[in-house]
Amino acid sequence: DAGVIQSPRHEVTEMGQEVTLRCKPISGHNSLFWYRQTMMRGLELLIYFNNNVPIDDSGMPEDRFSAKMPNASFSTLKIQPSEPRDSAVYFCASSTSGSYNEQFFGPGTRLTVL
Amino acid sequence: DAKTTQPNSMESNEEEPVHLPCNHSTISGTDYIHWYRQLPSQGPEYVIHGLTSNVNNRMASLAIAEDRKSSTLILHRATLRDAAVYYCTLNNAGNMLTFGGGTRLMVKP
Repeated sequence: DAGVIQSPRHEVTEMGQEVTLRCKPISGHNSLFWYRQTMMRGLELLIYFNNNVPIDDSGMPEDRFSAKMPNASFSTLKIQPSEPRDSAVYFCASSTSGSYNEQFFGPGTRLTVL
Repeated sequence: DAKTTQPNSMESNEEEPVHLPCNHSTISGTDYIHWYRQLPSQGPEYVIHGLTSNVNNRMASLAIAEDRKSSTLILHRATLRDAAVYYCTLNNAGNMLTFGGGTRLMVKP
């Protein structure tokens, strides 16, 4: 199994540009999570999908952030317009449903907004 | 949200056991205790989880207090590759994890 796949691995963009991060979960997993990690705030859950439906998006910072999961094998996190304070490492994770199930994390996308 | 409290950092000598503590005094009856670790420049990696009973797997052991308000992750023989940030988290019925600051484990040769 290839694990959770994220792309791109690194993204450098200028303030005001649109950024799209992509995630392919592990086949058979029906829960998908987007996290953001910064030195100041640590690892934060942004949004959680179950069976392609957003269940909790209370961690999404503001309207500039949006996430979609059009099918079981693909999800995107979009930032429009991007700002320097969005610079962070963004992780996608997947799991099967259930609070006893482990989450498998991808390698992350390091985003730098200039 | 139930919170966890961990020491910021700990040091260990290689090949010695390491006990990483975690307090979760506001844990609810349905919360599973999960431990993850994050190696440098990598995503978090699952280590172990439990509900009430102590648990063992190939990576570590998890000792859970009888009142469930604290737990301890035990690495039986630390290696240099175990140097990482270790996170104690609670997984609620909604399947969501809340990560605290974690404990940075340094292993000395």
